Amino acid sequence: DTEVTQTPKHLVMGMTNKKSLKCEQHMGHRAMYWYKQKAKKPPELMFVYSYEKLSINESVPSRFSPECPNSSLLNLHLHALQPEDSALYLCASRPMGQGNTEAFFGQGTRLTVV
Amino acid sequence: DQQVKQNSPSLSVQEGRISILNCDYTNSMFDYFLWYKKYPAEGPTFLISISSIKDKNEDGRFTVFLNKSAKHLSLHIVPSQPGDSAVYFCAAIRTYGQNFVFGPGTRLSVLP
Repeated sequence: DTEVTQTPKHLVMGMTNKKSLKCEQHMGHRAMYWYKQKAKKPPELMFVYSYEKLSINESVPSRFSPECPNSSLLNLHLHALQPEDSALYLCASRPMGQGNTEAFFGQGTRLTVV
Repeated sequence: DQQVKQNSPSLSVQEGRISILNCDYTNSMFDYFLWYKKYPAEGPTFLISISSIKDKNEDGRFTVFLNKSAKHLSLHIVPSQPGDSAVYFCAAIRTYGQNFVFGPGTRLSVLP
């Protein structure tokens, strides 16, 4: 299994809603990432978890709350988002302790905030 | 301040010819470089990588060249196929780092 699975694929939410994005991988990767990608822009790092602990938070607003319940799952809890938060949210995973390796990306969740 | 640059937003190439995509970086601490391919509304797919101890890495139709002194890398696709039409992102990372820094991407169109 070499997949990173993200659900849902599409999400439309109001500014007062609370929703969660989910990401799952069964490759035994111990680093997991959330990236945000706006149209015609490169992916921008939001959070990194290493061994289920938050290791990087790129000054992301608190309306985005990550959670890593175990080594296979990564969630992104969303609350009180703004229309400018509409974007493609990408999850990625990567092995650790093996030197330089690539990150494997999921298909993304297309989020629209109305 | 962009640490990874791809100065060509788009590139059109005839099927069967060579596609050359370029990438420049400014941070000399980067020592591992990757190319990802991305279709619309999908996640990036890893293509090929190169470590700073090498100057060339080849995988089938894809070859990446690294010129460390110029802080420049390029991706060659030979021969180009219509299915190669996508956005190509260059990315860089430091050994033992965790943050992949992406360039702005180059949209490649391979014309039949």
